[in-house]
Amino acid sequence: DVKVTQSSRYLVKRTGEKVFLECVQDMDHENMFWYRQDPGLGLRLIYFSYDVKMKEKGDIPEGYSVSREKKERFSLILESASTNQTSMYLCASSLGRLNTEAFFGQGTRLTVV
Amino acid sequence: AQSVAQPEDQVNVAEGNPLTVKCTYSVSGNPYLFWYVQYPNRGLQFLLKYITGDNLVKGSYGFEAEFNKSQTSFHLKKPSALVSDSALYFCAVRPMEYGNKLVFGAGTILRVKS
Repeated sequence: DVKVTQSSRYLVKRTGEKVFLECVQDMDHENMFWYRQDPGLGLRLIYFSYDVKMKEKGDIPEGYSVSREKKERFSLILESASTNQTSMYLCASSLGRLNTEAFFGQGTRLTVV
Repeated sequence: AQSVAQPEDQVNVAEGNPLTVKCTYSVSGNPYLFWYVQYPNRGLQFLLKYITGDNLVKGSYGFEAEFNKSQTSFHLKKPSALVSDSALYFCAVRPMEYGNKLVFGAGTILRVKS
């Protein structure tokens, strides 16, 4: 069965901390995505990666960076966490073809205090 | 700009009645269209997609969606709603000219009452 696993369900961090959110997929998918979900705003794309070491900015990349050293793992990094980054973070993966659906992890609810 | 609109924040329907969750899109060229469902404290689950061909697409859990190119709409439907269908529903578009990115609507809460 298809699986996308995010390392934490809930995370509480302090303002200014460097935060790592990890995502692993076991489907050999080329594409991986990081979204942020906020009420009334839907899902907004932060970054996506279409291959190892390749990345593209999404709609809201400010304050975030990503790393993809291996095909199965895609990390989201908050360089210096701020309270306005308190949100639900969703990782997803898909095959490289445009007509394929994305599969999502269970989400990480991050609170920055 | 590529965008997806879900005009209703919430849809209420009685159990057993038909339901419709609306979605319209604005893209250049032909899009690939998707519906996802999210249950509380869970990630998104794929329901169905429109790629090409028949305008009526059937998906999981008895859901279907109708693609209408002239109205640029992709409404989600189900003939008979269940209480267990209550969840948050997202429409998404992957425009052919937009590479691999998926653009999501804001979501619609569906409440089915017994």
